[in-house]
Amino acid sequence: EIVLTQSPATVSSSPGERATLSCRASQNIYNYLAWYQQRPGQAPRLLIYDASNRATGISARFSGSGSGTDFTLTISSLQPEDFAVYYCQQRSKWPITFGPGTRLDFK
Amino acid sequence: EVHLVESGGGLVQPGRSLRLSCAASGFTFDDYAMHWVRQRPGKGLEWVSGIGWNSGSIGYADSVKGRFTISREMKSLYLQMNSLRVEDTGLYYCAKDIGAGAVALDSWGQGTLVAVSS
Repeated sequence: EIVLTQSPATVSSSPGERATLSCRASQNIYNYLAWYQQRPGQAPRLLIYDASNRATGISARFSGSGSGTDFTLTISSLQPEDFAVYYCQQRSKWPITFGPGTRLDFK
Repeated sequence: EVHLVESGGGLVQPGRSLRLSCAASGFTFDDYAMHWVRQRPGKGLEWVSGIGWNSGSIGYADSVKGRFTISREMKSLYLQMNSLRVEDTGLYYCAKDIGAGAVALDSWGQGTLVAVSS
C-alpha cells in the first residue's frame, strides 16, 4: 500500500501567520491527493482534492500544490478556527490511505 | 444539503458481529461511491472500505479484508463486521465520494462508536 508521511507532526503558529504543511508519498501518486481538516470533536472536512482544487465552500486562504510524491497545503493568514489537525489522503491506488496528520497549534 | 447518519455501533465482545448502517439524504445516492472511515481513540483516520456507485467496485483495507463486508441499497450504506477484534474499536464514519472520478470524501456523518471488549 502507499504510505503517506506528513511533516511536521506539530506546527505552532499565531493568528495572521502563514502555515505550510507537507505530505510525502512512498511512490508516485500523480496529483491524486486530498487534504482534510479535523477540529476537536468534529468529523473531518474536505479542503482540497486532486492536489490543488478547493472543495466547495472552502476559503481561498487554503491552497494546495504538488505532484508525484511531494505535496503542500498552505494556509495564509491563519484564523483562530484553523487550529486543528490536517490529514492528507491518496487515491492513486487502493487501498486508499491517509497520512498520520499534522496538528496546527497556537504558538 | 447532504446528510449522512450512521447507526448500529455499540459494545460487543471479541469475535462477535455488528452491522453498521448509514442513512443518506440530500443527494442522488445512486450516483456516488461511498466509504467507511474509522478513527481509533486518539488516533488518525483510517480508510476501512469503499463501494462504487453501482456496487461494481469494492475495496477494503488489509486490516479488515475477509472480515468486513460493505454493501449499499436504496439510500443506505452498510458495513457488516464479523470476527471483531479489540483493535476494531473506534468511531466509524460514513462518507460520500466527491464523484467525477476523484476519490475524495466531501461529506461525512458524525460517526457511530464501536467498542470491542471482553
